[in-house]
Amino acid sequence: SYELTQPLSVSVAPGQTARITCGGNNIGDKNVHWYQQKPGQAPVLVIYRDSNRPSGIPERFSGSNSGNTATLTITRAQVGDEADYYCQVWASSTGVFGGGTKVTVL
Amino acid sequence: EVQLVESGGGLVQPGRSLRLSCTASGFTFGDYAMSWVRQAPGKGLEWVGFIRSKAYGGTTDYAASVKGRFTISSDDSKSIAYLQMNSLKTEDTAVYYCSRDLLELGTYYFDYWGQGTLVTVSS
Repeated sequence: SYELTQPLSVSVAPGQTARITCGGNNIGDKNVHWYQQKPGQAPVLVIYRDSNRPSGIPERFSGSNSGNTATLTITRAQVGDEADYYCQVWASSTGVFGGGTKVTVL
Repeated sequence: EVQLVESGGGLVQPGRSLRLSCTASGFTFGDYAMSWVRQAPGKGLEWVGFIRSKAYGGTTDYAASVKGRFTISSDDSKSIAYLQMNSLKTEDTAVYYCSRDLLELGTYYFDYWGQGTLVTVSS
């Protein structure tokens, strides 16, 4: 089965840039989606198909995907961006999530 | 406005069954696939399974961890997706979310989620 690897945590100072990676075998050949989940809340889609933002998601959120790594980038990080972030792909007719990355803004 | 509301969670003994419902509104339910995703306490997201729209055969696929025990179905006339869970194990304890699935370029992703319903499997 296909596996996605994310770092457990990422810390960033307010106003700086956070980069969250998602590793997978030739993940660049797949479409990667990203979700934000704040404590006690349902996940929210922030990036779909590698680099597309749903309506209502700030331009500060961007994504890229190449080789064996996909990356979610949060520029000008805000305290309100503190959350868990999950990458997701579709592989062999099943959904696959990464283990999640806790982003701390301090 | 798209809304998804899960119901049916609760405390159940190991080996017993439970059926969850996901009631949808704000979109044409039959045009979309629907997934169930769960999250064990303090853990990450785990995709459970999904049902394709009728246009794609209405077929289902499941994660290996639940295959043969869980069944997803839907009633387009009522805009409800169901998750029938049989032979429940303590490790099935989780918040269960339903999501609306978008299919683009051969990939599904989850653009709307419900608030989840907690299932606790314990004796």
